[in-house]
Formats: sequence, C-alpha cells, structure tokens
Amino acid sequence: DAGITQSPRYKITETGRQVTLMCHQTWSHSYMFWYRQDLGHGLRLIYYSAAADITDKGEVPDGYVVSRSKTENFPLTLESATRSQTSVYFCASSGLGLTDTQYFGPGTRLTVL
Amino acid sequence: GQQVMQIPQYQHVQEGEDFTTYCNSSTTLSNIQWYKQRPGGHPVFLIQLVKSGEVKKQKRLTFQFGEAKKNSSLHITATQTTDVGTYFCLMDSSYKLIFGSGTRLLVRP
Repeated sequence: DAGITQSPRYKITETGRQVTLMCHQTWSHSYMFWYRQDLGHGLRLIYYSAAADITDKGEVPDGYVVSRSKTENFPLTLESATRSQTSVYFCASSGLGLTDTQYFGPGTRLTVL
Repeated sequence: GQQVMQIPQYQHVQEGEDFTTYCNSSTTLSNIQWYKQRPGGHPVFLIQLVKSGEVKKQKRLTFQFGEAKKNSSLHITATQTTDVGTYFCLMDSSYKLIFGSGTRLLVRP
C-alpha cells in the first residue's frame, strides 16, 4: 500500500530556476493539497484540487503553479524559484471532501540558494 | 478577516505531567481537526470535532470543542516520551482551511 508519495525528498536549486515537486497517491482520493511548512508558521495552504482539472488557490499561492491532469498526480511547480521559497513542502489528500481527514506525504525539503 | 491562534508555542514537561494546547478562532468554525507531527515526520490525523461542546477521548488524549465553536483544546494526561512532537489544529471556517501554528511538546524522561 503505497499511499501518498512525494519526489524528490530533497532538492537544492538556485534562484531563478524552475522546480517541480511531484505528488502521487494510490487511493483515488478526490482532494489533494499542497502546503509549505516554515519554522514559526505552521502549515500554510498553497493550492488544492477537488478533482482532475479543478484547482483553487490557498493562503499563499503566489510564485507557484499547479496542475492536475490525472486524479492520482498533483505536481507543484515553482516557475522561478526565490530564496523565500526555501521550505518543507507537504502534499496531502482526502477522500470525502475538503474538510475530511487529510493524509500527508513524507514531504520534500527544498533549498533555494 | 479570520484570526486564529494556537498556544502555547512550546511546552517542556516532565514525563508524567499533563499537557494542554489551545486553538482559538475569531470566527465560528464548522469543524476542527487535530494532527500530530513527530520530529522529522509528517502530520498525522488524530481526531475531528464537529458538534458544539463535543468531547472525545483517545486513551490519554482528551479533545474538546467549545460551545461557541470558536475554540478547542487537546489535553494529554500523564505525558510519555512517545508524546513528543508538534500538535496542530486545522480549523475549517466556511470551507476555508487554516492550520494553527502548532504547539511543540518536549518531554523530559
């Protein structure tokens, strides 16, 4: 039972480069989420998706792009990475609705130099 | 806009002591969820509270939802070293999801 996976687990990149973080879930959950976690800020919602081809902004969407062509995948792209985007990124999914239990992936630690 | 607060930010206790974390919202919540994140790990769901005044227990953990559905607490009785981690609330206010900033629990053996 793979559950929800993220790749890469660690990434170092430079300012201005494009970076894509991958998220894959095997439960066929409708909802998927991207969060960033910074010290002192808890988890902040970047984007979420209710189904394939349906996405919506969260609390901190600027500088990020998402897509969801297939139910099981929800990639997050930083089109031009900045140092302020250095963070730990978590993907999550939920099966029954926006406010249902969320299952989190292991996270991706991204460093932007 | 909605204001949320989770306190305290940190708590360092002796093993066997009790621990409580609180989440407060300026607006009425539809429901609240609690998650635990171990150091270096990812958040794991603990419980969801929906009804006004609801109280739920899981072994040594007691969760409460306020009568006005604007606050909630998580209480751990007789902490153990396995309780170490950060506890977050996830507040749902009219389909707007906001995580509390978390309370980091440290337990001295």
